[in-house]
Amino acid sequence: DVKVTQSSRYLVKRTGEKVFLECVQDMDHENMFWYRQDPGLGLRLIYFSYDVKMKEKGDIPEGYSVSREKKERFSLILESASTNQTSMYLCASSIPNRSSTDTQYFGPGTRLTVL
Amino acid sequence: GDSVTQMEGPVTLSEEAFLTINCTYTATGYPSLFWYVQYPGEGLQLLLKATKADDKGSNKGFEATYRKETTSFHLEKGSVQVSDSAVYFCALSDDYGQNFVFGPGTRLSVLP
Repeated sequence: DVKVTQSSRYLVKRTGEKVFLECVQDMDHENMFWYRQDPGLGLRLIYFSYDVKMKEKGDIPEGYSVSREKKERFSLILESASTNQTSMYLCASSIPNRSSTDTQYFGPGTRLTVL
Repeated sequence: GDSVTQMEGPVTLSEEAFLTINCTYTATGYPSLFWYVQYPGEGLQLLLKATKADDKGSNKGFEATYRKETTSFHLEKGSVQVSDSAVYFCALSDDYGQNFVFGPGTRLSVLP
């Protein structure tokens, strides 16, 4: 089974802090994604990466950056956390082709609260 | 751009009732279609998928058929259980598996 893990289930930070959210997948997937999930807004894509050191902006990249130094690890960075970044953050991975395995696999999520 | 629309709910049903959650999409090309489920406090899990027109995805008593003519992928289950209470997301992916678009989610509550 594919496993996607996220470094923390719950995180509380203060405004202005630099925050790192880590995601690791164990199935050698090329694609990795970061979403945030908010009530009434569903999932919104922040960034995705289709290879090591490659990244593409999603729909809401402002206030975030990412790092992909190794294939299995995709980090989301909040340079200076703000209260409007309080949310559930979901990481996912997938294989980039139209085979039967083009499904996205999700981690358990990190619920971040910024005070 | 591509988009997914689904009924937002919440949907409240009694155990053993019939479930339908509507999903329609707008996309260029030939997207794959998915239903994901999110149980309380957890991430999303794939429930079922279909990759081409007229395909039927099924899992755990749920099923959905890829209808290209109506651009729909409605989720159905004949008899829901309390354990089916969750949020259900309809989604599509493009030809390259890089662009995933999710609907807003539908919260389902099943009462005993």
